[in-house]
Amino acid sequence: GAGVSQSPSNKVTEKGKDVELRCDPISGHTALYWYRQSLGQGLEFLIYFQGNSAPDKSGLPSDRFSAERTGGSVSTLTIQRTQQEDSAVYLCASSFSANQPQHFGDGTRLSIL
Amino acid sequence: GDSVTQMEGPVTLSEEACLTINCTYTATGYPSLFWYVQYPGEGLQLLLKATKADDKGSNKGFEATYRKETTSFHLEKGSVQVSDSAVYFCALSDPGNTGNQFYFGTGTSLTVIP
Repeated sequence: GAGVSQSPSNKVTEKGKDVELRCDPISGHTALYWYRQSLGQGLEFLIYFQGNSAPDKSGLPSDRFSAERTGGSVSTLTIQRTQQEDSAVYLCASSFSANQPQHFGDGTRLSIL
Repeated sequence: GDSVTQMEGPVTLSEEACLTINCTYTATGYPSLFWYVQYPGEGLQLLLKATKADDKGSNKGFEATYRKETTSFHLEKGSVQVSDSAVYFCALSDPGNTGNQFYFGTGTSLTVIP
């Protein structure tokens, strides 16, 4: 299909380990967003990429979180030294351009033991 | 700053009942407003949108009208079906004021029983 693809769909890891989450946006979409969805909470904005511009990192909760987008396409979200409070569903979305409706992937469910 | 407040759930309705999920927003600019739906086990999908005051978004029998005077964008459907069971998120985008961010509500879970 041509939708947003995220991998892995589920990740279980021990506290203190690093994890890397991947997002393949829809081809041609220049905008890419990462969100975190915790149980019973709304979507928490993490980071935004638009074309070749510097990313908007204002939503990253700590310096353990980082993200990159290579070649304006695939993005990886890295969480270092994971903590139990990092357990959540991490959602990626892409859009044709800023302010346009976003297309979401199915998310990665991250569980920190 | 910008924010979205939506009706807390969960909401349980019988099939063919009327649905209203309230959503109000705070924005200093001229936002676009959206409803997203998340069906069980799936990602979020855009349900409908409205980009300016008095616009009505509609899709799959759902409607929402952008009311600037009451800063609201309530989601309505006249007759719900079991297949409408999902979590519904209200969202806004206000690029003239807050740039790239979308603001989402906390979601309202709807269960429709036969």
